[in-house]
Amino acid sequence: GQQVQQSPASLVLQEGENAELQCNFSSTATQLQWFYQSPGGSLVSLLSNPSGTKHTGRLTSTTVTKERRSSLHISSSQTTDSGTYLCAIGANSGTYQRFGTGTKLQVVP
Amino acid sequence: GPKVLQIPSHQIIDMGQMVTLNCDPVSNHLYFYWYKQILGQQMEFLVNFYNGKVMEKSKLFKDQFSVERPDGSYFTLKIQPTALEDSAVYFCASSFGSNSDYTFGSGTRLLVI
Repeated sequence: GQQVQQSPASLVLQEGENAELQCNFSSTATQLQWFYQSPGGSLVSLLSNPSGTKHTGRLTSTTVTKERRSSLHISSSQTTDSGTYLCAIGANSGTYQRFGTGTKLQVVP
Repeated sequence: GPKVLQIPSHQIIDMGQMVTLNCDPVSNHLYFYWYKQILGQQMEFLVNFYNGKVMEKSKLFKDQFSVERPDGSYFTLKIQPTALEDSAVYFCASSFGSNSDYTFGSGTRLLVI
């Protein structure tokens, strides 16, 4: 089945530094979404980006579909960015069927 | 913004008993989902539901699981009977369209003892 690998597994940054998170997947994905999972567990959709480059606020995602990879760039990190970032993929149906292992980000003052 | 509410937030139940997890989705959303996350592990898709029917389900959606949304009320996940391996956080999500952004609930932490 489809596998979704994320790297790094964890990352510690000083406030103000930039973060680059990676997502690699094993087979074709027509949907790709980045989520933020708070330390308390709740999830928030950040960016839907099945191909190309998208921006929202301090977030930029670039997905190269034929290479089966996506990145999430967080600029000028803040302590409130701390949490786990999940990449999820789906094929055709619109359902995100596979989630990655996540990158746990800690931003320290 | 609009929220998905999950009730209860925590549930402890004896193995073999039935449990119903309730989800109040965003009011104009049409697609509903359940996901399972065991502590420290990946989020896993269980099922999606549209127009009163299960559209897709994963291998994790065992025969003991069922979903329904009677008359536009709560979208429920019922497990009958429960097993120890059902202990996990269950997340409900909803979306307006099949390719729209999801709104997730805060999860129900289920412990089967």
